[in-house]
Amino acid sequence: EDQVTQSPEALRLQEGESSSLNCSYTVSGLRGLFWYRQDPGKGPEFLFTLYSAGEEKEKERLKATLTKKESFLHITAPKPEDSATYLCAVRLNTGGFKTIFGAGTRLFVKA
Amino acid sequence: ETGVTQTPRHLVMGMTNKKSLKCEQHLGHNAMYWYKQSAKKPLELMFVYNFKEQTENNSVPSRFSPECPNSSHLFLHLHTLQPEDSALYLCASSQKAGTSGYEQYFGPGTRLTVT
Repeated sequence: EDQVTQSPEALRLQEGESSSLNCSYTVSGLRGLFWYRQDPGKGPEFLFTLYSAGEEKEKERLKATLTKKESFLHITAPKPEDSATYLCAVRLNTGGFKTIFGAGTRLFVKA
Repeated sequence: ETGVTQTPRHLVMGMTNKKSLKCEQHLGHNAMYWYKQSAKKPLELMFVYNFKEQTENNSVPSRFSPECPNSSHLFLHLHTLQPEDSALYLCASSQKAGTSGYEQYFGPGTRLTVT
């Protein structure tokens, strides 16, 4: 069964304390892996797309990496405004549009 | 208007009511999606339309009826809902023709409460 699992479920950091979020996947075929940020009461906001193992993408304090089994979202020196839920999603390589989301990691960054 | 818009933002309906959710995208995308987001559960894909044709129906109950009159508009018609259908309903669009842009762009969602 195709599955996307994110860990930890919640993460509390002090401002400036770097850490990583994990997204592990077991799918029949990967078309792309996506990271989104979701603030309370809003729709998810697209951050990164990764297509193949070894690929890395960066944006400000965030860096996403991909292996054949998992992806990491590294947060360097986070700030309180980075507090949000981070979602990982996998689009299956089945010729259609099916996308499976993980349950997300809720990140809290304290000043 | 830019991006993906959804109306209404909040909806309270009784179990015998009929209502519709509307989504409009201004990104020139050809695919549109409906998702359900319940508390502490992953986003659940409900329907996908590509160039107005339905390509995914994720075993959604018939009390949810989608409609896609063109590539920019998507509706979700609701009737005889159950309290467990209360959730945030999100619309998204993706994949401008001729690019590899599979990433999805989401609207703000409609918070639905069924009483």
